[in-house]
Amino acid sequence: KNQVEQSPQSLIILEGKNCTLQCNYTVSPFSNLRWYKQDTGRGPVSLTIMTFSENTKSNGRYTATLDADTKQSSLHITASQLSDSASYICVVSDNTNAGKSTFGDGTTLTVKP
Amino acid sequence: DTEVTQTPKHLVMGMTNKKSLKCEQHMGHRAMYWYKQKAKKPPELMFVYSYEKLSINESVPSRFSPECPNSSLLNLHLHALQPEDSALYLCASSQTAGETQYFGPGTRLLVL
Repeated sequence: KNQVEQSPQSLIILEGKNCTLQCNYTVSPFSNLRWYKQDTGRGPVSLTIMTFSENTKSNGRYTATLDADTKQSSLHITASQLSDSASYICVVSDNTNAGKSTFGDGTTLTVKP
Repeated sequence: DTEVTQTPKHLVMGMTNKKSLKCEQHMGHRAMYWYKQKAKKPPELMFVYSYEKLSINESVPSRFSPECPNSSLLNLHLHALQPEDSALYLCASSQTAGETQYFGPGTRLLVL
């Protein structure tokens, strides 16, 4: 069964600090891995998407890494801002069930002043 | 236009009502999705339409009825819902199924 596990479940950091969120998956065969940011009560917004051959992708202060061998991904947030407070969701798609992605439970990040 | 729009933003309905949720995108995407999301949980896939045909139904109860009138529109018809169906309903679209999904802002549904 395809699974995506994220850690930590929640995280509190001070404004200006960096943090790293983790995502481990057992989805096979792998197609792509996406990180989304979801503010409370809003729809998720795509941050990055990586395929098998990509091992790093940046979007402003967000940098995602992918190790397809160990089936691990991380999302690094640099110089955090109060507006980074949100849920970060890791989503992995496989090649066999187009349109059916496996969602992680998300990491809730709180940035405090 | 890189936006998925959803209407209404909020909906309160009784268990005997019939209502519809609407979703629209003008990005030329050929895959569209309905998700249900409960508080502090990830979105749960309900339906996938690919090239205007229903390709995935995640064993959703028949009180939820999807419809894809054309490549830009996706509806979700609701009838005889239960209080436990109260949730945030998200629509998404992607170029083709399996690619990056763009989500709408959601419809917050409350069933009384």
